[in-house]
Amino acid sequence: SQKIEQNSEALNIQEGKTATLTCNYTNYSPAYLQWYRQDPGRGPVFLLLIRENEKEKRKERLKVTFDTTLKQSLFHITASQPADSATYLCALDGNSGYALNFGKGTSLLVTP
Amino acid sequence: SAVISQKPSRDICQRGTSLTIQCQVDSQVTMMFWYRQQPGQSLTLIATANQGSEATYESGFVIDKFPISRPNLTFSTLTVSNMSPEDSSIYLCSVQDSGNTIYFGEGSWLTVV
Repeated sequence: SQKIEQNSEALNIQEGKTATLTCNYTNYSPAYLQWYRQDPGRGPVFLLLIRENEKEKRKERLKVTFDTTLKQSLFHITASQPADSATYLCALDGNSGYALNFGKGTSLLVTP
Repeated sequence: SAVISQKPSRDICQRGTSLTIQCQVDSQVTMMFWYRQQPGQSLTLIATANQGSEATYESGFVIDKFPISRPNLTFSTLTVSNMSPEDSSIYLCSVQDSGNTIYFGEGSWLTVV
């Protein structure tokens, strides 16, 4: 069956450091992969989309890599800030080709 | 991007009752999706709602329990019928843009007592 795995343990880092979150998947051949941020009690907010033919994508302090051989995406936040504290979700295009399937997310806590 | 408004944002419901959640989008979109997020869990797709056709439900979700309407390109409703405590969850409306990005509403947090 298709699986999307993200680190279930919360990631605690110090302000200014780089946070790296991992998303692994099995039994998928995704055309693209997306990362979302979710704050408690709120809907997910889109951050970045990376396509299968792209190795890396950047947006301000965010960087995403996509390795279709390893079936893995890494999500980096450089110069992290306490405001970056949230849960980060990885999502792949689903069977229908339109809706997304989501991982459970990894909680990030950035301390001053 | 799209701005999505959901109502209600939060509600406490009695067991056995039904509640309809409304989703309004600020632009015309073809594809709308309804997700559920139970406490501590990931988002699970309930159904895809396209205007002019019946909603397509994912495995484990049925129309009798989660009837959906999609009367036009900017509006949809999801009804949670005959609620039980297991239906306590955040229900999220979302839309897809032409670049395959999906945008979410703020969600409707239902607690069934």
